[in-house]
Amino acid sequence: DIQMTQSPSSLSASVGDRVTITCRASQSISRYLNWYQQKPGKAPKLLIYTASSLQSGVPSRFSGSGSGTGFTLTISSLQPEDFATYYCQQSYSTPWTFGQGTKVEIK
Amino acid sequence: QVQLQESGPGLVKPSETLSLTCTVSGGSISNYYWSWIRQPPGKGLEWIGYIYYSGSTNYNPSLKSRVTISVDTSKNQFSLKLSSVTAADTAVYYCARDQFLVRGVRVLGRYMDVWGKGTTVTVSS
Repeated sequence: DIQMTQSPSSLSASVGDRVTITCRASQSISRYLNWYQQKPGKAPKLLIYTASSLQSGVPSRFSGSGSGTGFTLTISSLQPEDFATYYCQQSYSTPWTFGQGTKVEIK
Repeated sequence: QVQLQESGPGLVKPSETLSLTCTVSGGSISNYYWSWIRQPPGKGLEWIGYIYYSGSTNYNPSLKSRVTISVDTSKNQFSLKLSSVTAADTAVYYCARDQFLVRGVRVLGRYMDVWGKGTTVTVSS
């Protein structure tokens, strides 16, 4: 299985801050990397697919980059509704695997 | 737009079989892959497996011996069965559309773009 490791596991930030979350794969996954946002009691929501493509309806303050084994999710200006847990997920080979999550909290 | 809804018992006894159904509305189940994912309380996401509308399946090896995913295109539904459950199978279970991005014959990406709201299943006697 391909192991996905996110850092940090949690972070505290203020509204308006630029936030970056890192995801590392245990082997090269090209650009087969997706990002999801999950709020408490809700299903995950797709934000970014194939490393950098913005899902329809997702605000442009979200962006993704990377290829191979290293990827980043950036929120350019954190908004109140962005406080949530973020997961990366590889779709290079089955079983699909997720990172452990990064919880973004209010500072 | 496409919506997914999970349904099934919220309580299952240890050693019995967990059975859930996902109903697809607002679109056809045809020509897509469909996944099941679960999330134990306070933990991360685990992919269980997927099924293509034609019936071909792919399961997580960690659960493969206990999992069966099936599809009923006439009802626009797909289902999950997990046998011999224990307390470790207590989780929120999600169904999702497993989308694929293709250019020519090359698959450029796979991602889960539509999710159900999830259903909580507790394994307890």
